[in-house]
Amino acid sequence: DAGITQSPRHKVTETGTPVTLRCHQTENHRYMYWYRQDPGHGLRLIHYSYGVKDTDKGEVSDGYSVSRSKTEDFLLTLESATSSQTSVYFCAISSETGGGQPQHFGDGTRLSIL
Amino acid sequence: AQSVTQLDSQVPVFEEAPVELRCNYSSSVSVYLFWYVQYPNQGLQLLLKYLSGSTLVKGINGFEAEFNKSQTSFHLRKPSVHISDTAEYFCAADLLRTGNKLTFGGGTRVLVKP
Repeated sequence: DAGITQSPRHKVTETGTPVTLRCHQTENHRYMYWYRQDPGHGLRLIHYSYGVKDTDKGEVSDGYSVSRSKTEDFLLTLESATSSQTSVYFCAISSETGGGQPQHFGDGTRLSIL
Repeated sequence: AQSVTQLDSQVPVFEEAPVELRCNYSSSVSVYLFWYVQYPNQGLQLLLKYLSGSTLVKGINGFEAEFNKSQTSFHLRKPSVHISDTAEYFCAADLLRTGNKLTFGGGTRVLVKP
């Protein structure tokens, strides 16, 4: 299995509070991704990173920010959490893009915002 | 709009029976296609992928998928399922062959009954 650790695995918080989720990889892969999973929607890309300090928006980036100061860590921040951001969040990594390189996923973080 | 559609949200099937999960995509250019499986409380695992070449792709755990360009489909099949195949299955596409943005279908939940 790809070395991907997401923390925390579960979190319950209140509306309006800031939340940071962490993705840590030991594979030295260049590309990292954050998705959210909601019933009926599959996974939707929030943000991704193609290198240290290099990030870009995905399909559902509003209300989220990311940072990548080291190759191994990719942080997802909800500046002021809302109930609509209750979801399961997955981090993924890939070694390269192009040529159909698959993405490898972490085990997810279940976030509940009350 | 470019999209990936999984036509069945749930598929009940008896053990040792065949199963087919349907996936259609919308794109005007060549795509890369993937099937992932998600077991309860876990991340997604790659089953198989289609990049080019032979339209019949074999994956892990006895699964295979057939790419049909004219019908823009990539259906997943297994000739004989086991209880352990109970999971959610996701079709995904790199619709622009960018290598870094996957679009996922909504998922198909397979329940294998004894």
